[in-house]
Amino acid sequence: DIQMTQSPSSLSASVGDRVSITCRASQGIRNHLGWYQQKPGKAPKRLIYSASYLQSGVPSRFSGSGSGTEFTLTISSLQPEDFATYYCLQNNSYPRTFGQGTKVEIK
Amino acid sequence: EVQLVESGGDLVQPGGSLRLSCAASGFIFTSHWMSWVRQAPGKGLEWVANINFDGSDKNYVDSVKGRFTISRDNAANSLSLQMNSLRADDTAVYYCVRNGGAFDMWGQGTTVTVSS
Repeated sequence: DIQMTQSPSSLSASVGDRVSITCRASQGIRNHLGWYQQKPGKAPKRLIYSASYLQSGVPSRFSGSGSGTEFTLTISSLQPEDFATYYCLQNNSYPRTFGQGTKVEIK
Repeated sequence: EVQLVESGGDLVQPGGSLRLSCAASGFIFTSHWMSWVRQAPGKGLEWVANINFDGSDKNYVDSVKGRFTISRDNAANSLSLQMNSLRADDTAVYYCVRNGGAFDMWGQGTTVTVSS
């Protein structure tokens, strides 16, 4: 199975900060990676697909980069509605696997 | 509007069975693989199973193989998950998700609790 390791597991940041979350795959997954945002009690929402493509309707402050084994989700200027938990997901092979999540909290 | 509406979650005893359903609307159901993803209380996301367009190809995470069966009814635009031999660690919110891996649309989830 491909292990997806996210870092950090949590972070505290202020509105307006630039925030980056990293996801490392235990083996190469090309660009078969997505990023998801989940707020408490809600279903996850896709932000990024194929590592760097912005989902329609998602603000442009979100961006994704990377290929192979290392990937990054960046929020260029954190907004109040961005405080949530973020997950990466590899869909290169079975079983599909998620990172353990990164909780973004208000400083 | 794309909608995925799950139902069937309940409290069930260990060893019991449950069938989850997902009603899909707002898109061409037969054009998409479909998946189930679960989330145990306070934990992360776990992919459970997926199924291809016509139901001829199915994949499962190891922990549910032989116990869970994914299926679809394209005439009714519905997805199902038959869960047998349920264990306490199957307790989770189960989400119906469009696509086989690039999960682009999610239902609101249905809660399965396995407890005596």
